[in-house]
Amino acid sequence: QVQLVQSGAEVKKPGASVKLSCKASGYTFTDNYMHWVRQAPGQGLEWMGVINPTGTSANYAQKFQGRITMTRDTSTSTLYMEMSSLRSEDTAVYYCTRDKSIGNYAWWFDPWGQGTLVTVSS
Amino acid sequence: SSELTQDPAVSVALGQTVRITCQGDSLRKYYATWFQQKPGQAPVLVIYAKNNRPSGIPDRFSGSNSGNTFSLTITGAQAEDEADYYCYSRASSGNRWVFGGGTKLTVL
Repeated sequence: QVQLVQSGAEVKKPGASVKLSCKASGYTFTDNYMHWVRQAPGQGLEWMGVINPTGTSANYAQKFQGRITMTRDTSTSTLYMEMSSLRSEDTAVYYCTRDKSIGNYAWWFDPWGQGTLVTVSS
Repeated sequence: SSELTQDPAVSVALGQTVRITCQGDSLRKYYATWFQQKPGQAPVLVIYAKNNRPSGIPDRFSGSNSGNTFSLTITGAQAEDEADYYCYSRASSGNRWVFGGGTKLTVL
């Protein structure tokens, strides 16, 4: 079945960087765009960015511009997201998810990875 | 504030019908998608492309829209439907996506 398996929890100090991974299986990895979404404790979902199927282009939410980089390794069907200059407000669960769409009017994310908790604390 | 607006909390009596709404300018152009999230779990897709259910989602879940508002309806709510529900859509401008603030559904 289609599955996204994310890397384990991370604890980082403020100012550090973190690189998360998301391994896809059960489908052709290069068929779909991929997104990262995060959720701070007790908060809602926040879209972070999207990368195209071949990994040659990515778009990031304005608040993360310059601080995150999304990449993908098609040889291992793995998606990555690196975030730098971490601060306490970046403490959240980070999810990867696969993009699906119909035409130019309907998109949905399915499935989701299990999530990776990133804790930023001194 | 979110570009997609949802009521923060809604309650429904067991077995009754409840509607959760999502409002935003982008919804005049793009469809909303609905996710369910239970505590400590990843989001689960429940409705996509206005009124399509993934396999495994009960048929008591349905979607509809009017103007700039999309709705998720649960007909005959069950205890296991108690969760947070989020809508999301492509933003009206730019290559970006936006989430609603989420609605906490309580089944009484």
